[in-house]
Amino acid sequence: EPEVTQTPSHQVTQMGQEVILRCVPISNHLYFYWYRQILGQKVEFLVSFYNNEISEKSEIFDDQFSVERPDGSNFTLKIRSTKLEDSAMYFCASMEGQGYTEAFFGQGTRLTVV
Amino acid sequence: ILNVEQSPQSLHVQEGDSTNFTCSFPSSNFYALHWYRWETAKSPEALFVMTLNGDEKKKGRISATLNTKEGYSYLYIKGSQPEDSATYLCAFIANAGKSTFGDGTTLTVKP
Repeated sequence: EPEVTQTPSHQVTQMGQEVILRCVPISNHLYFYWYRQILGQKVEFLVSFYNNEISEKSEIFDDQFSVERPDGSNFTLKIRSTKLEDSAMYFCASMEGQGYTEAFFGQGTRLTVV
Repeated sequence: ILNVEQSPQSLHVQEGDSTNFTCSFPSSNFYALHWYRWETAKSPEALFVMTLNGDEKKKGRISATLNTKEGYSYLYIKGSQPEDSATYLCAFIANAGKSTFGDGTTLTVKP
């Protein structure tokens, strides 16, 4: 069964460092998403991506964040200068169609900023 | 900021009980409503994608209804089992793929 894969499963980084979280969406899906969940809080939408550009982003997704689909298979989230409050589980998801089909989520990357 | 609310926040039931939760969302700019089941240490798994007012969907003992005019969806579990214990999330999809999740309802089913 096709699945969304994320690497690494856990990343520890020092405050101020750049991190790249990687995702391989399901191959025939067209819409890609990043979400995060800070420990004990609700799932938060970060950004959606379609046709090689951002289609929607939340207030959380400020200038320190960027997304890229560098090679047609990977979908990456870059955090330029990590802060302590960026510590969270980051989930990637992909959808075949926008909103009217289910999202498939990866297992998540736990980012710990120290 | 879109307001998506789920109630109750948590629920403890006995095996065999039937239960239901509510997801409230804005009644304007509706595109779709998703329900997900999220077990601890796993990623969210889709239960239902609902797009039309009056939609009713069923998967085994779990079913959901949708009222887009008044902005709510109900999720029902008939005859709860311990393996139903999880957090149930709803997500409101407005336009351009932006989704807003509720806080979830955490269900615990005691044997």
